[in-house]
Amino acid sequence: EAGVVQSPRYKIIEKKQPVAFWCNPISGHNTLYWYRQNLGQGPELLIRYENEEAVDDSQLPKDRFSAERLKGVDSTLKIQPAELGDSAVYLCASSLGSIPNTEAFFGQGTRLTVV
Amino acid sequence: QKEVEQDPGPLSVPEGAIVSLNCTYSNSAFQYFMWYRQYSRKGPELLMYTYSSGNKEDGRFTAQVDKSSKYISLFIRDSQPSDSATYLCAMSYNTNAGKSTFGDGTTLTVKP
Repeated sequence: EAGVVQSPRYKIIEKKQPVAFWCNPISGHNTLYWYRQNLGQGPELLIRYENEEAVDDSQLPKDRFSAERLKGVDSTLKIQPAELGDSAVYLCASSLGSIPNTEAFFGQGTRLTVV
Repeated sequence: QKEVEQDPGPLSVPEGAIVSLNCTYSNSAFQYFMWYRQYSRKGPELLMYTYSSGNKEDGRFTAQVDKSSKYISLFIRDSQPSDSATYLCAMSYNTNAGKSTFGDGTTLTVKP
């Protein structure tokens, strides 16, 4: 069974340019998460979806970041415009739900470098 | 001050050694305590989780939670070179999958 698939794996862009990341969760997983992991740090939650609904986006910088999860499956995270400080690994994860005794599975991440 | 503090490392041990990885936290509302392993350029993968206080063992790995001290540990027995990775502790209020607060990780190298 395929795990969480993210693309692209790597992206280099100039500051002020837009960028988008795509995530395909594990089939049947209705909960989807976007995390950002800065170098040498642990992941920080940006947004969590239950099906199509964003139920926790308190850490998403809404002035430049946006996310969507159409039809409750794939998700896209966008940054416009990108800043130097946005350089990080963006991780997508999915789980069967947010109830106890479920496990979140992570994708390999998209490594963004803003120059 | 961060909600979750993790011993920064890095740690380098010989093969077969016992490894102890530790985290402290400040929020007493955390109920679920997880340990993730992250290989270089990969996403984190869940190793173990514990609900509330106590110990949990899975093969060479033992997780301990002491809620009274707000302290959690992961022990690795008979460490192997394949255990070389970054280990992240994570904590959550109400589930092992959900909004987790992560430590910054400890990088472990096990030398043959």
